[in-house]
Amino acid sequence: EAQVTQNPRYLITVTGKKLTVTCSQNMNHEYMSWYRQDPGLGLRQIYYSMNVEVTDKGDVPEGYKVSRKEKRNFPLILESPSPNQTSLYFCASSSGTSGGNEQFFGPGTRLTVL
Amino acid sequence: GENVEQHPSTLSVQEGDSAVIKCTYSDSASNYFPWYKQELGKRPQLIIDIRSNVGEKKDQRIAVTLNKTAKHFSLHITETQPEDSAVYFCAAKTDRGSTLGRLYFGRGTQLTVWP
Repeated sequence: EAQVTQNPRYLITVTGKKLTVTCSQNMNHEYMSWYRQDPGLGLRQIYYSMNVEVTDKGDVPEGYKVSRKEKRNFPLILESPSPNQTSLYFCASSSGTSGGNEQFFGPGTRLTVL
Repeated sequence: GENVEQHPSTLSVQEGDSAVIKCTYSDSASNYFPWYKQELGKRPQLIIDIRSNVGEKKDQRIAVTLNKTAKHFSLHITETQPEDSAVYFCAAKTDRGSTLGRLYFGRGTQLTVWP
């Protein structure tokens, strides 16, 4: 089954404790992206990647890191989480960068930073 | 970069009525406009999309219209049903240079359909 997976789905952590949220897709998609969703603010892009070893900042990259060593994986790293990073996070992928390419979303990761 | 504005932020309609959600965009190079539906506790899922060379597209009770000159596009849902209740997001995608492939989202519209 074609899908985007994220782990963990739920995470409660404390300020400053490094964490990684994994994202994997099995559709051979070039483009992958991370969003955070907060009430009233919609989906804001954190980082995106157009292919292996190619990543770029989105609109809200501060406090996050990403890497794209393999085509299928795009982990999101919070080196020193803070309470303002409490949010719902979505990973997404699509087959290309130009034209109309449906973006498929993962199930989401609900992160709470205490 | 692109700026997508979406209105209204909340919309309540009676079952059977029509619902319209409107979005504007700023970058004339944007050429792909998808709409996503997000049910409570679920991930956003594509429901319909339109490309810049088309003015209107329909899929059963859902239609999207695009006015490139005015840089706005709209989602129309007819004969609404309670299961249409969800948050709807519009988005725009550009092929321009440094923002190639990025999808810019509106802030969402919470649609509630009352039985």
